[in-house]
Amino acid sequence: DAKTTQPTSMDCAEGRAANLPCNHSTISGNEYVYWYRQIHSQGPQYIIHGLKNNETNEMASLIITEDRKSSTLILPHATLRDTAVYYCIVRPRGTYKYIFGTGTRLKVLA
Amino acid sequence: SAVISQKPSRDICQRGTSLTIQCQVDSQVTMMFWYRQQPGQSLTLIATANQGSEATYESGFVIDKFPISRPNLTFSTLTVSNMSPEDSSIYLCSVVPGVGGNQETQYFGPGTRLLVL
Repeated sequence: DAKTTQPTSMDCAEGRAANLPCNHSTISGNEYVYWYRQIHSQGPQYIIHGLKNNETNEMASLIITEDRKSSTLILPHATLRDTAVYYCIVRPRGTYKYIFGTGTRLKVLA
Repeated sequence: SAVISQKPSRDICQRGTSLTIQCQVDSQVTMMFWYRQQPGQSLTLIATANQGSEATYESGFVIDKFPISRPNLTFSTLTVSNMSPEDSSIYLCSVVPGVGGNQETQYFGPGTRLLVL
């Protein structure tokens, strides 16, 4: 079973920040949090990952709570092309097995 | 990140036949995986393709149904054998880059859309 829970769907206005939450309350100390997105049934696209600290790259920011039991992916200025299913995944260090949950279907509205 | 291609991109097959899907990467990678995504569902890991040895299958997937080859560090194939309509899915390969790449992350191919009639 997936070790993460996410809302089924969310809407966001174009140009606004999209904040996608993920709960991983059973995460252990050596497990990373990864975010991917899948557009129109294409292959999932890597977005960002982190262990403890907040991370930022050209696509998004990842905020991990201090107890590491939840995280939020932030798309700072959502565009229509960000409409996709977003997956939050927990990966143990030393393995590469991903267990995908059901993800959040984000719809960016014009 | 590695550039990954899959062939065919889509196919329509008759039940009882087999289809071999190819995954080609533009650089040597340390690990390759095969996933299945059934209609409207999330991704499920089928197996890890091991270079030069038998693949490692996840629970619920067996070699007779999904034989996998990985003859080198840039190429793998997945065969869907004796197909039934329940095998209609998107099949995706993923890779972990080799030296010089982001070795903490999997990158996915574009997928092969299979419809079995």
